[in-house]
Amino acid sequence: QQPVQSPQAVILREGEDAVINCSSSKALYSVHWYRQKHGEAPVFLMILLKGGEQKGHEKISASFNEKKQQSSLYLTASQLSYSGTYFCGTEGTGAGSYQLTFGKGTKLSVIP
Amino acid sequence: DSGVTQTPKHLITATGQRVTLRCSPRSGDLSVYWYQQSLDQGLQFLIQYYNGEERAKGNILERFSAQQFPDLHSELNLSSLELGDSALYFCASSVAPGDYEQYFGPGTRLTVT
Repeated sequence: QQPVQSPQAVILREGEDAVINCSSSKALYSVHWYRQKHGEAPVFLMILLKGGEQKGHEKISASFNEKKQQSSLYLTASQLSYSGTYFCGTEGTGAGSYQLTFGKGTKLSVIP
Repeated sequence: DSGVTQTPKHLITATGQRVTLRCSPRSGDLSVYWYQQSLDQGLQFLIQYYNGEERAKGNILERFSAQQFPDLHSELNLSSLELGDSALYFCASSVAPGDYEQYFGPGTRLTVT
C-alpha cells in the first residue's frame, strides 16, 4: 500500500525549517527518501533501516519510528536549492521484498 | 549525471502500438529497476532485475514486459499502448537489491496519441 506523505505542499522562506512526514499502514523494513527537481530525475537523500541504521547525506536528517511505521525528514535552515518534490519510498518486511512503494510526494518551495 | 542512461528521451506513438525503452545501468551496478511516473500517481514501481534475473514485480501491466541482458542493460517493452500509458518512465540502478542507493536515469517521456 502506498505510504501517505504530509504535507502535500509547503512554502518556506530561506532559513526556515520544515518537516515532511511519511506514514505507512504496514510493517516496514526501511524507508528511503528522494528529492526530485522539476524536469529532473529523483536523487537519493537517505535510507533508514529497521534497527536504527541510516545511510545518507550528513546535512539531511530523518527519523524512523518502527512501531508507528512512520518516518520524518527534517530540513533545517532551508536554502533555495532545497526546492523540489520529496518522495518517501517504503519497503515492507516480507521476505525478499525488494520493491519500494513511493508516496505521492511533498512539494517544497523555498523562496527568498 | 547519475551514470544511468536511458534512450530515447522522448517517444510519441499511437494507441495500439508497441515500443521499447532502453536502460544502461551505472558501471558496477547489477540491479535495475523500472518506474512509471504520472502526474496523479507519483512514482510507481514496475519491476526489478538483478544480474539478469527478475527479483521483484510491482504494478506492471500484462501488456508490459522487461528483461535484463548479460551485459546488464535492460529493456522495457510496452505493447497495445493506451492513452493512459502516457507517462515518464524511469530506470534506476543500484549495486544490489535491497537497501542501497538507487541512481535514476533521466527518464523516457512517452506520449501516446
